Amino acid sequence: DVKVTQSSRYLVKRTGEKVFLECVQDMDHENMFWYRQDPGLGLRLIYFSYDVKMKEKGDIPEGYSVSREKKERFSLILESASTNQTSMYLCASSPPRRRQYFGPGTRLTVT
Amino acid sequence: EDKVVQSPLSLVVHEGDTVTLNCSYEVTNFRSLLWYKQEKKAPTFLFMLTSSGIEKKSGRLSSILDKKELSSILNITATQTGDSAIYLCAVEPLSAGGSYIPTFGRGTSLIVHP
Repeated sequence: DVKVTQSSRYLVKRTGEKVFLECVQDMDHENMFWYRQDPGLGLRLIYFSYDVKMKEKGDIPEGYSVSREKKERFSLILESASTNQTSMYLCASSPPRRRQYFGPGTRLTVT
Repeated sequence: EDKVVQSPLSLVVHEGDTVTLNCSYEVTNFRSLLWYKQEKKAPTFLFMLTSSGIEKKSGRLSSILDKKELSSILNITATQTGDSAIYLCAVEPLSAGGSYIPTFGRGTSLIVHP
């Protein structure tokens, strides 16, 4: 059974802090994705990665960066957290040309 | 730009009712349409549809794709309180590189009252 885990279910950070959200998958998937989900807006793609050290911008990359140093791990970084980054963050992974598997999500609050 | 529109955005019903959720799309090089159910956690996969007119069924849930109308419906019969969730529709195009980056709709929030 595919497992995608995220480092925290809930996180509270202050404005201006650097925030790391970690995602790990155990199925050797090539593709990994970071989304944010806000009420009424659905899932919006922040960044995705096809392979180690590869990254591509999604629809809303501003204010975020990512790191993929190992195949199983994809990190989302908020360099300087702002209140408008308060959201639910979902990680997903997939093999090539197959559907995505989602992690449980991290609810981030920036105060 | 690829686009996925779900309707209604929210729905409140009573147990035993039947509901129909809609998903329409505009996408170049359509490959597949997916439905997910999301409770207060990770979206869980329900159906993947690639061929028009073929119904997929799982218990009280069923879904069908209409490529001519560029749409899909998700039906839930005899709803139960456990069906309360956000239902997400996503469409995957086939990109030049062969990888599928889905576009998601905004979701339909379903609340089933006892």
